[in-house]
Amino acid sequence: DTGVSQDPRHKITKRGQNVTFRCDPISEHNRLYWYRQTLGQGPEFLTYFQNEAQLEKSRLLSDRFSAERPKGSFSTLEIQRTEQGDSAMYLCASSPQGEYEFFGPGTRLTVL
Amino acid sequence: KNEVEQSPQNLTAQEGEFITINCSYSVGISALHWLQQHPGGGIVSLFMLSSGKKKHGRLIATINIQEKHSSLHITASHPRDSAVYICAVIETDKLIFGTGTRLQVFP
Repeated sequence: DTGVSQDPRHKITKRGQNVTFRCDPISEHNRLYWYRQTLGQGPEFLTYFQNEAQLEKSRLLSDRFSAERPKGSFSTLEIQRTEQGDSAMYLCASSPQGEYEFFGPGTRLTVL
Repeated sequence: KNEVEQSPQNLTAQEGEFITINCSYSVGISALHWLQQHPGGGIVSLFMLSSGKKKHGRLIATINIQEKHSSLHITASHPRDSAVYICAVIETDKLIFGTGTRLQVFP
């Protein structure tokens, strides 16, 4: 499969625990985006990378959230000290610059 | 007020009907996407357009930049078209999404 992949697909955690999600973009895409989607809402932008550089972070991304793309390929999104409000679908997308974004299947996070 | 508004929020149709979903936005954009999201979360880009009209199969998307408005039309709708359709605008390299239109097409 040469599409965008995300791991894990589902994560259930207890409040206060740390979680890390991984996104593997389409290999030749230099842009990688993270979005969050809560039930009944459209996705919301969190952050994006061009190659390994993190170019923009949303105000939604509190200090508990950190994203990396160390070699300009895969990316990780870590949430520290999870809260129930963090429960959402976390979507990753990649694109060649200025072109269509291709979305991954998402990681559904449930914080108990 | 959201920067991207869609209407209607929910839409039901009988198979074969012509469907229109509308999107209005309030920010300056470089382009607009129409996306389809099926249950379970998978999102597929249907169109990216910055002017005029695009057609792909039974789907047609139009945009009027001056009026800050776009429409997605589905001709001869089919139950497999049932999904959430999301309008998203590109503002300075990132997407701003509408809340989506849930479409159900019954046989």
